[in-house]
Amino acid sequence: NAGVTQTPKFQVLKTGQSMTLQCAQDMNHEYMSWYRQDPGMGLRLIHYSVGAGITDQGEVPNGYNVSRSTTEDFPLRLLSAAPSQTSVYFCATGTKQGRADTQYFGPGTRLTVL
Amino acid sequence: SQKIEQNSEALNIQEGKTATLTCNYTNYSPAYLQWYRQDPGRGPVFLLLIRENEKEKRKERLKVTFDTTLKQSLFHITASQPADSATYLCALELTGGGNKLTFGTGTQLKVEL
Repeated sequence: NAGVTQTPKFQVLKTGQSMTLQCAQDMNHEYMSWYRQDPGMGLRLIHYSVGAGITDQGEVPNGYNVSRSTTEDFPLRLLSAAPSQTSVYFCATGTKQGRADTQYFGPGTRLTVL
Repeated sequence: SQKIEQNSEALNIQEGKTATLTCNYTNYSPAYLQWYRQDPGRGPVFLLLIRENEKEKRKERLKVTFDTTLKQSLFHITASQPADSATYLCALELTGGGNKLTFGTGTQLKVEL
């Protein structure tokens, strides 16, 4: 099993560009989430999903969109990239339906917005 | 507002000693608390979960305590090794959130020979 995979590993964007960060899991976990991690700020929840077709906002959702059409995939879309979105992005899955509980993280995507 | 605090200063200890990391929280009534390990350039890895009705949890050389009166969790690594060097994060479920975890900023541990 691959666990949680994220692509790309690194990305450089110009201000105003859009892109999608991919996240896929093969653990059949209901719960998936996106975090960003910035120095001194810790991990902050962007969006999460408790199952296919259901998404909700986290702590810092502005500028990001998500959708969950399948259990396996949970892409994160940056609509119009801004330098403030420079960060490391982690996707995570959760073991229990409808609950955060133990989370399994992907390897991360390092995004730089110029 | 709800807040989680971990010591931002790195903790340096000698190999073989016990490392103790602290996680304090305010304005939470968490059902459980979790600890994660994060190595540079990698995603966090789950270590332990302790529930509000548990005072202590152990796993091999790791021990976690949870004091809901003091609103504090302590994370201990006994017989520490250089391989234990990493950043350790605590995480809480938001009050009434059900599905959202909030993470502390983490404490960096360095175990020296």
